[in-house]
Amino acid sequence: QKEVEQDPGPLSVPEGAIVSLNCTYSNSAFQYFMWYRQYSRKGPELLMYTYSSGNKEDGRFTAQVDKSSKYISLFIRDSQPSDSATYLCAMSSIQGAQKLVFGQGTRLTINP
Amino acid sequence: DVKVTQSSRYLVKRTGEKVFLECVQDMDHENMFWYRQDPGLGLRLIYFSYDVKMKEKGDIPEGYSVSREKKERFSLILESASTNQTSMYLCASSDPGQGTVSQPQHFGDGTRLSIL
Repeated sequence: QKEVEQDPGPLSVPEGAIVSLNCTYSNSAFQYFMWYRQYSRKGPELLMYTYSSGNKEDGRFTAQVDKSSKYISLFIRDSQPSDSATYLCAMSSIQGAQKLVFGQGTRLTINP
Repeated sequence: DVKVTQSSRYLVKRTGEKVFLECVQDMDHENMFWYRQDPGLGLRLIYFSYDVKMKEKGDIPEGYSVSREKKERFSLILESASTNQTSMYLCASSDPGQGTVSQPQHFGDGTRLSIL
């Protein structure tokens, strides 16, 4: 079983829809949770960074962490074609603070 | 903005060749990382370095080595390239943070390496 599971998709939604991207994990020691966005032929860029449980909002993006369920989510409101990309979740524990464990990535397409 | 620059976007090499992939970061980060990214497998850590001349194995170090002679530069070496090393290679860097706080990593745009 992988430490971090992420549905690879692909996921295709119409412009303006609310998008929900999710990851589950098995290591209860994970404390730091990140979402990266990767456009085609580019490197991943950091989108959201949260510590422990709770919500964090940044514009149209909201990251949620539920440590009791070992489940994290990224919500995109009013999705735009420019949001079309692969989204990767990543997480780390305090002990392995500098090492990230990544999900497989979900490929998202927003249709105009 | 943090800039992580990988020297080549595309590279084609032959089986058995020694291959060097170069990465430079301009933010004085202490930590640097090499990953490979394959469809269905996500990003897998090959090697990382916490400081100059320091290196540690990641999850898949076999067939690879690294060199960090200067703080800003981290090189990945394929000692004898094989076809199963055809992949996208990504370099990243990060601040060390304070204590055990994890800092986000900043990535380059990758080198797509084909071994024929």
